Amino acid sequence: DAGVIQSPRHEVTEMGQEVTLRCKPISGHDYLFWYRQTMMRGLELLIYFNNNVPIDDSGMPEDRFSAKMPNASFSTLKIQPSEPRDSAVYFCASSLGRGSGVTDTQYFGPGTRLTVL
Amino acid sequence: SQQGEEDPQALSIQEGENATMNCSYKTSINNLQWYRQNSGRGLVHLILIRSNEREKHSGRLRVTLDTSKKSSSLLITASRAADTASYFCATDDNYGQNFVFGPGTRLSVLP
Repeated sequence: DAGVIQSPRHEVTEMGQEVTLRCKPISGHDYLFWYRQTMMRGLELLIYFNNNVPIDDSGMPEDRFSAKMPNASFSTLKIQPSEPRDSAVYFCASSLGRGSGVTDTQYFGPGTRLTVL
Repeated sequence: SQQGEEDPQALSIQEGENATMNCSYKTSINNLQWYRQNSGRGLVHLILIRSNEREKHSGRLRVTLDTSKKSSSLLITASRAADTASYFCATDDNYGQNFVFGPGTRLSVLP
């Protein structure tokens, strides 16, 4: 398996523009997570899906952020409009089902480095 | 506030020495995981320890868990320059939810 795939790897945009980050999870994994990593705030969980359904989006910072998972093999994280403070590395991760309340190993993608000017 | 917090924030050792990193958390957990991140890369899972386990080994890694003290430690024995990375602990709650990463320990292994 190719692992979790994210695109683009780098994105530079201007303030006010819409940004769309993409993720393809590992085939067969039914949990998908979006994280944001910055020096100041560390690694933050933004939202996660189970079987394509958003389960917890309490980490999404503002209404400018939205995430979708139209099918089991694809998810997007959209920021509209983008702001300089959104600059960060955004990671997608996937995992197998959580049996008996046990959190399974998460497999991370390489990340998308977003710079908003 | 964050569930898991590692200390020290940064650690610098010589190749061949052992490295110990600690993680403390606040509420009851279901399990605790350790991840590693090389600069500019995604996180890689190292080891998972369940709340009913006290110690686990994987190669040069040894993880302990003390639920009474709400703490865990990661020991890397006979460190190598290639072990240079940031190490994170991650915890969930009793329901397997609220998965949270700590701020990480930055380990530098000098040749």
